[in-house]
Amino acid sequence: GENVEQHPSTLSVQEGDSAVIKCTYSDSASNYFPWYKQELGKGPQLIIDIRSNVGEKKDQRIAVTLNKTAKHFSLHITETQPEDSAVYFCAAKRSEAAGNKLTFGGGTRVLVKP
Amino acid sequence: EAGVAQSPRYKIIEKRQSVAFWCNPISGHATLYWYQQILGQGPKLLIQFQNNGVVDDSQLPKDRFSAERLKGVDSTLKIQPAKLEDSAVYLCASSLSGTYNEQFFGPGTRLTVL
Repeated sequence: GENVEQHPSTLSVQEGDSAVIKCTYSDSASNYFPWYKQELGKGPQLIIDIRSNVGEKKDQRIAVTLNKTAKHFSLHITETQPEDSAVYFCAAKRSEAAGNKLTFGGGTRVLVKP
Repeated sequence: EAGVAQSPRYKIIEKRQSVAFWCNPISGHATLYWYQQILGQGPKLLIQFQNNGVVDDSQLPKDRFSAERLKGVDSTLKIQPAKLEDSAVYLCASSLSGTYNEQFFGPGTRLTVL
């Protein structure tokens, strides 16, 4: 089955700096890669996603890049703010008619210091 | 639009006791998921329903865990008997059918097994 590795496990940045989180996946058939943000006491919330036919996607201060050949994808947060402090998860999924199964990475705890 | 509802939010039980969790998905979402999230890890899919049928339960410990989704709406997840290693947050999520549809997560139920 799919295996998703995520690095780093913790990341501390100064407010205004950039944060980068990297993930690798094992299943070359995976074609959908969402990123989730989880705040304390809440469920994960989708912040951005990318499909395999796209190399990069941006949404305001957040961007995701995908390298299918190397089987890795990254989340970039620019101009970080204290409210960006949370745990971030990457995930990967195949497009299968029978299901919509996401495999998650282990998470990155991001702390933005004011 | 109301989100995914879960109850209870917290539960503490002794090992070998039984426990049940309830989930009410977003109205109109045919797909419902139960995830287990152990502290410091990413969510792991336990079971996925499409309407009231099981699509994937390959990671559900069937000797002690059971789940049902009657009438294709609400769902319950049961553990009987509980073990210490079942201590985790149990997340329910729902989505429209289809490969790229966002999964919306509930707040989770934090289970502590003593």
